[in-house]
Amino acid sequence: GAVVSQHPSWVICKSGTSVKIECRSLDFQATTMFWYRQFPKQSLMLMATSNEGSKATYEQGVEKDKFLINHASLTLSTLTVTSAHPEDSSFYICSAPRGGRDYNEQFFGPGTRLTVL
Amino acid sequence: GQNIDQPTEMTATEGAIVQINCTYQTSGFNGLFWYQQHAGEAPTFLSYNVLDGLEEKGRFSSFLSRSKGYSYLLLKELQMKDSASYLCAGMDSNYQLIWGAGTKLIIKP
Repeated sequence: GAVVSQHPSWVICKSGTSVKIECRSLDFQATTMFWYRQFPKQSLMLMATSNEGSKATYEQGVEKDKFLINHASLTLSTLTVTSAHPEDSSFYICSAPRGGRDYNEQFFGPGTRLTVL
Repeated sequence: GQNIDQPTEMTATEGAIVQINCTYQTSGFNGLFWYQQHAGEAPTFLSYNVLDGLEEKGRFSSFLSRSKGYSYLLLKELQMKDSASYLCAGMDSNYQLIWGAGTKLIIKP
């Protein structure tokens, strides 16, 4: 099956620093990727839709200047958490639909656990 | 508004059968998904239904009734490793997934 990777798997950083998370589709091209955040014991919350070659679409309440998304190629999207604070500590997960955004299956990356001290 | 409802938690016995229900309201409809998520891990795809009826895949089956806005995930011959959260998600007309809060399934020996 299709594989989506994320790097790093986990990261611990100091408050005020920036953290970049990479999401790669390893065996298919993804014009669209989705970034989710999941707090403990809660469901996935869509943060933004990453579009290759254009600006990301952010969900209501998600600060685009704080969560920078770059979809530089058909296999790579990055999420940068700028000036991270303890409340940004969460599990960040990306997903990519194969065959375009209207394909019926999304493949999830393994997730990145961010802890901000 | 858009909404996905599923029970918060269910308990079942190893070897038994369990049915996890999900009701949905979405703006348009492009399918209903079920995902399994173990603690600390990303979700993994289980099933996709876009037409009414039952889709069987090994020990897992998923059912959809579009007229009722209803789906269920049926797990047979339960194993301890099936202890996980099961997420129901509906895809709306913009192909965006609307997620339920998940059903935590506890399997007892």
